[in-house]
Amino acid sequence: DARVTQTPRHKVTEMGQEVTMRCQPILGHNTVFWYRQTMMQGLELLAYFRNRAPLDDSGMPKDRFSAEMPDATLATLKIQPSEPRDSAVYFCASGLAGTVGANVLTFGAGSRLTVL
Amino acid sequence: DQQVKQNSPSLSVQEGRISILNCDYTNSMFDYFLWYKKYPAEGPTFLISISSIKDKNEDGRFTVFLNKSAKHLSLHIVPSQPGDSAVYFCAGHPLANTGNQFYFGTGTSLTVIP
Repeated sequence: DARVTQTPRHKVTEMGQEVTMRCQPILGHNTVFWYRQTMMQGLELLAYFRNRAPLDDSGMPKDRFSAEMPDATLATLKIQPSEPRDSAVYFCASGLAGTVGANVLTFGAGSRLTVL
Repeated sequence: DQQVKQNSPSLSVQEGRISILNCDYTNSMFDYFLWYKKYPAEGPTFLISISSIKDKNEDGRFTVFLNKSAKHLSLHIVPSQPGDSAVYFCAGHPLANTGNQFYFGTGTSLTVIP
């Protein structure tokens, strides 16, 4: 049963601390997305990668957020320094890009971040 | 700029009745749409999709309708069951974008009352 694995599932930290969230996409998938779930914006796209190359990170606050894919099995989302307004659930999703409409995204279970 | 809008944050329906969840989009380049279902403490899971070449797609109790001229789609669940209680997200995909970049709405929380 292929799945997207995210760690940690829960993280409580203090304002100003660095937070790193990790994602293992489904083997063979070539696109990886980071979404943030908020009440006002719903599922807000932060960044996405295709074949490990960043294609769009316009949704991320650049001064404090960074996203990378060091290899095909790992995507990371880092917040430094963290702020209380960053408290949210962060989802990673992966998919297989190709024919338009041919594929769907598979989401991980999410990382719930609380910044005090 | 919210390109996909779900204007009803919540919906309550009696078990056995029809649930209708609505979604509007602004980007005329969207040509593929998906509905995702999300339970608490879990990630969203794919439910049903529709291409712009169709106006209806059915899968068991779930049917999605697309009205391109109105830029509107809806998800019908018949009959509704208590296990359908979840948050439903609508998502749109732009034409010629093969990168799987979907734009999601804010979600509608469905409660099916036994």
